Amino acid sequence: EPEVTQTPSHQVTQMGQEVILRCVPISNHLYFYWYRQILGQKVEFLVSFYNNEISEKSEIFDDQFSVERPDGSNFTLKIRSTKLEDSAMYFCASRPFSTGSPLHFGNGTRLTVT
Amino acid sequence: QKEVEQNSGPLSVPEGAIASLNCTYSDRGSQSFFWYRQYSGKSPELIMFIYSNGDKEDGRFTAQLNKASQYVSLLIRDSQPSDSATYLCAVTLNSGNTPLVFGKGTRLSVIA
Repeated sequence: EPEVTQTPSHQVTQMGQEVILRCVPISNHLYFYWYRQILGQKVEFLVSFYNNEISEKSEIFDDQFSVERPDGSNFTLKIRSTKLEDSAMYFCASRPFSTGSPLHFGNGTRLTVT
Repeated sequence: QKEVEQNSGPLSVPEGAIASLNCTYSDRGSQSFFWYRQYSGKSPELIMFIYSNGDKEDGRFTAQLNKASQYVSLLIRDSQPSDSATYLCAVTLNSGNTPLVFGKGTRLSVIA
């Protein structure tokens, strides 16, 4: 069964550094998402992406965050200057169409900011 | 503000029993409802989705939806220790590319 693939599985970085989290969505999916989950808390929406542009973003997704689909397969989340509170699991997800279809999640990237 | 509420648990049931997990949501416009299972340190895994009022069964799992009461539930029959996980309820509108909104999840523990 097709999968959403995320790399790396674990990223450790120092505060103030830039990180790029990578995702390869399922190939025939059109809608892409980033969510995060701080330890012990709920899965929170960051941003959705369709047709090479952001569809919707949450309050969490401030100017420090950006997303890109640099080619036909990769979907990236960049955090420009990491803060301690950015430490979380970051999940990429995709779905084939928008109306009511479930999200398929990748295995996540655990980001630790020290 | 769209909210999805779940009892955080833990909900403990003996092996073989029925586990009942509940979820309420605030946005009356919500049209699609999902249950995900999440093991510790892992990503959410889709169990079921339901769109219409009533029951939907898939193996040992039954999802129940009552839009008038803004309530959705998941029943797990013949619970197994491997069902021990956190169960996440998620809802969304059907219009456009609206994201899923998740509840905090209910931790289920199935005791052998």
